[in-house]
Amino acid sequence: EAQVTQNPRYLITVTGKKLTVTCSQNMNHEYMSWYRQDPGLGLRQIYYSMNVEVTDKGDVPEGYKVSRKEKRNFPLILESPSPNQTSLYFCASSPGTGKERNTEAFFGQGTRLTVV
Amino acid sequence: AQSVTQPDIHITVSEGASLELRCNYSYGATPYLFWYVQSPGQGLQLLLKYFSGDTLVQGIKGFEAEFKRSQSSFNLRKPSVHWSDAAEYFCAVVTYSGGYQKVTFGTGTKLQVIP
Repeated sequence: EAQVTQNPRYLITVTGKKLTVTCSQNMNHEYMSWYRQDPGLGLRQIYYSMNVEVTDKGDVPEGYKVSRKEKRNFPLILESPSPNQTSLYFCASSPGTGKERNTEAFFGQGTRLTVV
Repeated sequence: AQSVTQPDIHITVSEGASLELRCNYSYGATPYLFWYVQSPGQGLQLLLKYFSGDTLVQGIKGFEAEFKRSQSSFNLRKPSVHWSDAAEYFCAVVTYSGGYQKVTFGTGTKLQVIP
């Protein structure tokens, strides 16, 4: 089954304790991205990756890092989480380029992060 | 820069009534347009998409959307709403520049369905 898998689904952590949210897709998609969803603000893009070793900032990248060492994985790293990063996070993937560029993004189930 | 506006934060409709959710975009050309639905506690599911051709597109669950270039709009419609349609709906635009994909979501419209 084609899917995007995020882990964990729920996470409570303390300020300053480094954490990683994993994201994996099994569709051989080139394009992957991370979003955060906050009430009244919709989904805002944090980082995206066009392919392995190619990443770039989205609209709200401060406080986050990503890496794309393999095509299927795109982890989101919070080196020193702060309470303002409490949010619902979504990973997404899509073919992104070439003749399949006009297909939709597939989303993970989301990770609800609370930073206290 | 592209932008997407969903002017209605919250809409309440009676079951069986018709529905229209508004979406306006700002972009220099015609972008790729999408509508997604998010049920409580779930990820986003694609309802329908528009790239070119017929401006009225059909999606899943009985939804349709009409692209109107003159109004820069892509409104979502359903003739008869079911209680299971209660969810949050997001409009999104996708553009490409220099081989890079840019995705922008609206702020969402939360739909409540009453008996």
